[in-house]
Amino acid sequence: GENVEQHPSTLSVQEGDSAVIKCTYSDSASNYFPWYKQELGKRPQLIIDIRSNVGEKKDQRIAVTLNKTAKHFSLHITETQPEDSAVYFCAAFTNAGKSTFGDGTTLTVKP
Amino acid sequence: EAGVVQSPRYKIIEKKQPVAFWCNPISGHNTLYWYRQNLGQGPELLIRYENEEAVDDSQLPKDRFSAERLKGVDSTLKIQPAELGDSAVYLCASRQTSGRSGELFFGEGSRLTVL
Repeated sequence: GENVEQHPSTLSVQEGDSAVIKCTYSDSASNYFPWYKQELGKRPQLIIDIRSNVGEKKDQRIAVTLNKTAKHFSLHITETQPEDSAVYFCAAFTNAGKSTFGDGTTLTVKP
Repeated sequence: EAGVVQSPRYKIIEKKQPVAFWCNPISGHNTLYWYRQNLGQGPELLIRYENEEAVDDSQLPKDRFSAERLKGVDSTLKIQPAELGDSAVYLCASRQTSGRSGELFFGEGSRLTVL
């Protein structure tokens, strides 16, 4: 089955610095790659997503890149703020709806 | 519009007792997922429904877990009997159209503690 590996498991940055989280997937049928932010005790919420026909997508301080050949995608957060501190999950979906999540990255932004 | 609604939010039971969780997806969402999330890990799929049909239940421990989605709307997930290792957050999520890469919306989750 699909396997999604996410790195690093923890990431600490200074406020204003950039943060990068990387994921690799194994199922070549995966074609939709969302990123979720989960604050303590709350539901995961979508922050950005990318589909397989696109290489990069940006939304203000957040961007995602996808390399289908290498089967990896990355989340980039620029100008980090303390409120960006949370757990971030990547996921891979196939067109049939099959989903696999990474194990998460705990991001800490130090003021 | 209301999001995905789950209940109860919290449940504490003793081992060997039964427990049930309920999920009401976003109106019009055909696809419904139940995930289990252990502390410090990502959501793990238990079962996926397309309308009322369970299309992926390969990771559902069928000896003690069961689920249903009557009329392709609300869904319930049941554990009987519960074991200590079942302590986790049970997340329900839904998507707009089956077979398409639509956004997945999560509920708040049901946190189960088995003593």
